[in-house]
Amino acid sequence: EVQLVQSGAEVKEPGESLKISCKGSGYSFTNYWIGWVRQMPGKGLEWMGIIYPGDSDTRYSPSFQGQVTISADKSISTAYLQWSSLKASDTAMYYCARRGSGSEYFDSWGQGTLVSVSS
Amino acid sequence: DIQMTQSPSTLSASVGDRVTITCRASQSMSTWLAWYQQKPGKAPKLLIYKASSLESGVPSRFSGSGSGTEFTLTISSLQPDDSATYYCQQYNSYPLTFGGGTKVEIK
Repeated sequence: EVQLVQSGAEVKEPGESLKISCKGSGYSFTNYWIGWVRQMPGKGLEWMGIIYPGDSDTRYSPSFQGQVTISADKSISTAYLQWSSLKASDTAMYYCARRGSGSEYFDSWGQGTLVSVSS
Repeated sequence: DIQMTQSPSTLSASVGDRVTITCRASQSMSTWLAWYQQKPGKAPKLLIYKASSLESGVPSRFSGSGSGTEFTLTISSLQPDDSATYYCQQYNSYPLTFGGGTKVEIK
């Protein structure tokens, strides 16, 4: 069974750094792209970017380029999303999701990581 | 960027009703469209890909159609478990974009 398990909820202050994780299991982690999707409170889904763990090829949405960093460690089947300096506007639920084979829809999703940023 | 516009934003229907949700793209995108269902507090779940292909395990009352710029998701006979928000997503080009969502309520 394909599973993506994300790290737990985080409460941070503005200006702090953060790295959240997404661990894949039940499939060949290096052969499928992993994407990140933001959902702000009460709002819709926004695609942030995507990484191919096999060679760390990464694409970003222009809206998130320079705001976050996506990375992966294929040795432990884990993808990451990180911020160097959080803002209150980063408060949201963040989902990782596996890209379907040969196409850009997402066929499996993590349970989400809630990030709260407040002073 | 391809903008995706869903309508309606909310709909209320009775159990057994046929429900249709529309997604319009700002430019033609063949059939590179997916539909997801999201229940409160849960991650989205893939229902349909390539506009009309049903994901494994998804009930056959869900169907998708369309190509180019106009797409529809149809629930042939609404069930209580279908109360959720539904999103379309284009994957014709980067950046991938989602529609704003349609909340389906049961009367």
